[in-house]
Amino acid sequence: AQKVTQAQTEISVVEKEDVTLDCVYETRDTTYYLFWYKQPPSGELVFLIRRNSFDEQNEISGRYSWNFQKSTSSFNFTITASQVVDSAVYFCALSEVTGGGNKLTFGTGTQLKVEL
Amino acid sequence: EADIYQTPRYLVIGTGKKITLECSQTMGHDKMYWYQQDPGMELHLIHYSYGVNSTEKGDLSSESTVSRIRTEHFPLTLESARPSHTSQYLCASSTRQGGYTFGSGTRLTVV
Repeated sequence: AQKVTQAQTEISVVEKEDVTLDCVYETRDTTYYLFWYKQPPSGELVFLIRRNSFDEQNEISGRYSWNFQKSTSSFNFTITASQVVDSAVYFCALSEVTGGGNKLTFGTGTQLKVEL
Repeated sequence: EADIYQTPRYLVIGTGKKITLECSQTMGHDKMYWYQQDPGMELHLIHYSYGVNSTEKGDLSSESTVSRIRTEHFPLTLESARPSHTSQYLCASSTRQGGYTFGSGTRLTVV
């Protein structure tokens, strides 16, 4: 069975601080996808990134960066110079690629609060 | 411009009523999903479909039912709504390569 753990329930930072959201996953699949989503108070899920299990290259997109380490089964997400608009719940998710399906298993989410 | 549409966005309904949450996508995806999310909690898969006339139950038991008569349409029905069904319901579709698209969700309140 797949599992995604986001140990940080809530993080509070002051604007312009860097913040890292942790994600640890468990799977027996050799092929899988990892995702990060942002969920603002309005409730919709905003897609941030998808990585496949064969691509461990770290990625930077503007103020966002992701560190994927297969050896530790982690897919951490860093926001540099945080802004108030970054305040949201962030979900890490794992997709199995078996039986023709792509069902997502979500972590419990990390509530990020960025204050002035 | 959204490629997956959910209606209604918000719904408040009385106990015992039958409701249908609509979900339509214009991307031609074979795979579609329904996730349930209680406030402040993680999302749980309740139904999925790999194509027309294919529906399966997800990891979380749900009293709802779904149908997939057309590729683009994946409605969810509750025959008799109860307060315990109060939640947000998110519809999604995916490509064969695992690219996911979520709808904006339906926030259901049963009073």
